[in-house]
Amino acid sequence: GAVVSQHPSWVICKSGTSVKIECRSLDFQATTMFWYRQFPKQSLMLMATSNEGSKATYEQGVEKDKFLINHASLTLSTLTVTSAHPEDSSFYICSARGGRGEDEQYFGPGTRLTVT
Amino acid sequence: QKEVEQNSGPLSVPEGAIASLNCTYSDRVSQSFFWYRQYSGKSPELIMSIYSNGDKEDGRFTAQLNKASQYVSLLIRDSQPSDSATYLCAVAAWGGYNKLIFGAGTRLAVHP
Repeated sequence: GAVVSQHPSWVICKSGTSVKIECRSLDFQATTMFWYRQFPKQSLMLMATSNEGSKATYEQGVEKDKFLINHASLTLSTLTVTSAHPEDSSFYICSARGGRGEDEQYFGPGTRLTVT
Repeated sequence: QKEVEQNSGPLSVPEGAIASLNCTYSDRVSQSFFWYRQYSGKSPELIMSIYSNGDKEDGRFTAQLNKASQYVSLLIRDSQPSDSATYLCAVAAWGGYNKLIFGAGTRLAVHP
């Protein structure tokens, strides 16, 4: 149990375009989903926290108009990187909470974004 | 600022030995603690959670928590080369939807 999927697993896009990443909890309802970004050889950086049906809470320094998060249901959250630039190239990982344990977060496999 | 501190390593242990990974945290009211394993290029995988003082064992893994000292550790017995990864300590922040505060991770290398 507690499986989280992400789609796509990797994507290449041109500078200035937008990319949508989906995160799904497959066998549990996720009350809260989180979006992280990780650059090579660096630690996870939390970007935002989203609860189903409400606006996402963004961490300091993360542009909410650039990284649009929608948590439309208890099993689906999406992250849209708008007007992507090469510096947005990174490993984007979602996690979901609300499975077997109260605070445990289960991570999706991640999406590697490359902006050319 | 709430912080989670880990030694970055690398921690090098021979195959079959016990690997000991340590973590300290700054927020005294934290209640939930986790260890994640992350292989290079992959996402983190939850391997242990601990909520009460003392030891919790799961197979070759033992998590130890001491809230008075604000210290949590992970022991890996009979270490295998496949255990070579970065181990992330995470602490649930009180309130704020219980987001996790992650340490920078300790890189473990198990050599044959």
